[in-house]
Amino acid sequence: ETGVTQTPRHLVMGMTNKKSLKCEQHLGHNAMYWYKQSAKKPLELMFVYSLEERVENNSVPSRFSPECPNSSHLFLHLHTLQPEDSALYLCASSQGSGYTIYFGEGSWLTVV
Amino acid sequence: AQSVTQLGSHVSVSEGALVLLRCNYSSSVPPYLFWYVQYPNQGLQLLLKYTSAATLVKGINGFEAEFKKSETSFHLTKPSAHMSDAAEYFCAVTRGRDDMRFGAGTRLTVKP
Repeated sequence: ETGVTQTPRHLVMGMTNKKSLKCEQHLGHNAMYWYKQSAKKPLELMFVYSLEERVENNSVPSRFSPECPNSSHLFLHLHTLQPEDSALYLCASSQGSGYTIYFGEGSWLTVV
Repeated sequence: AQSVTQLGSHVSVSEGALVLLRCNYSSSVPPYLFWYVQYPNQGLQLLLKYTSAATLVKGINGFEAEFKKSETSFHLTKPSAHMSDAAEYFCAVTRGRDDMRFGAGTRLTVKP
């Protein structure tokens, strides 16, 4: 059982499609994150939301659009992606003290 | 800026042998340090974390890590490897909630 749930676990989309990844955390945390994990590359922090406000972008292309409607839910809207965007997208959450980040199991994205 | 370097992208040990995964960090202030493990097709799971309470930190599954400020290191060890330890291991450093940085990861293989 995980405190951070991601859906879907696998997604295949064409370059002209619009899709969304969903994340829900059941830990009562006040910060949520999107990370990208590609083969042979370090984890890349994409977005951070603290108290539902975006605090970091890390120069992510605009074809990725995050949304955080409340402290428990986080979305990543995908539009006009490129094949190089194929990766594992990890959602995570944390609470202020201790700074430990807890991850979901990830969503595997394949862009064709 | 802080960063993490994991020495060795791939480590192979025999079952029952000592596991040593190396991590060096750079940080201008005392950091929080973490080790995470990722099993195939899963997200990252926290193994242990250092928050200055004690230099030797014990984690789950028999792993431990020692913080050595003079060497800026936080190496992960386990006295006796088990087949189930085969996974990818990530070292991470942060000074605050929004700036956790991960190493490139070390893949551990355990031979029977």
